[in-house]
Amino acid sequence: QSALTQPASVSGSPGQSITISCTGTSSDVGGYNYVSWYQQHPGKAPKPLISDVSIRPSGVSNRFSGSKSGNTASLTISGLQAGDEADYYCSSYTSSSTYVFGTGTKVTVL
Amino acid sequence: QLVESGGGVVQPGRSLRLSCAASRLILSRYDMHWVRQAPGKGLEWVAVTSFDGNKKYYADFVKGRFTISRDNSKNTVSLEMNSLRAEDTAVYYCARAPCGDCTWFDPWGQGTLVTVSS
Repeated sequence: QSALTQPASVSGSPGQSITISCTGTSSDVGGYNYVSWYQQHPGKAPKPLISDVSIRPSGVSNRFSGSKSGNTASLTISGLQAGDEADYYCSSYTSSSTYVFGTGTKVTVL
Repeated sequence: QLVESGGGVVQPGRSLRLSCAASRLILSRYDMHWVRQAPGKGLEWVAVTSFDGNKKYYADFVKGRFTISRDNSKNTVSLEMNSLRAEDTAVYYCARAPCGDCTWFDPWGQGTLVTVSS
């Protein structure tokens, strides 16, 4: 059960778009459309942004979007805002009926 | 809301039981998860119990040491942690699957800190 691989950090200027990748294997990301994404601000519980690869839960801004190609899922944040500065994690269901999180990505708004 | 309790400081090798209670939220129809986060580190999925408690799955690093259980009559979920190690030090969150077939986590509790230290 190795963690999914995410870049340690991504940065962008206000208004720009950034993309965070999440790479797994055919036993997790590539095998199911069960990738979800979470935003976590310091000292807070994670907040879901995307479920099932590309579905935004109710109340989540449409500036957040998700996709997947093969064993790699991606989260795109468009129109970057100061409040988007946080840690982001992907998660996937696995062939063992377990779950695995990504290594996490720190987003910095320049 | 989900509220975790039971965290604290415990010596290596000892046991601790965490609880997760829900207010204004039904747990009995949904899978329940425990997720942890070591200080300054990323999220780690720990365990899941099916809505009826009949299916339970664990991360390899806790298998055989941790046990997840639920009491649907009390609307609670627990995590019994045995043979604790320093590397189990983390904030432990409980989280619910938001629907019967959902494979994501919402809502989350605020977390309870477990510190394993002599």
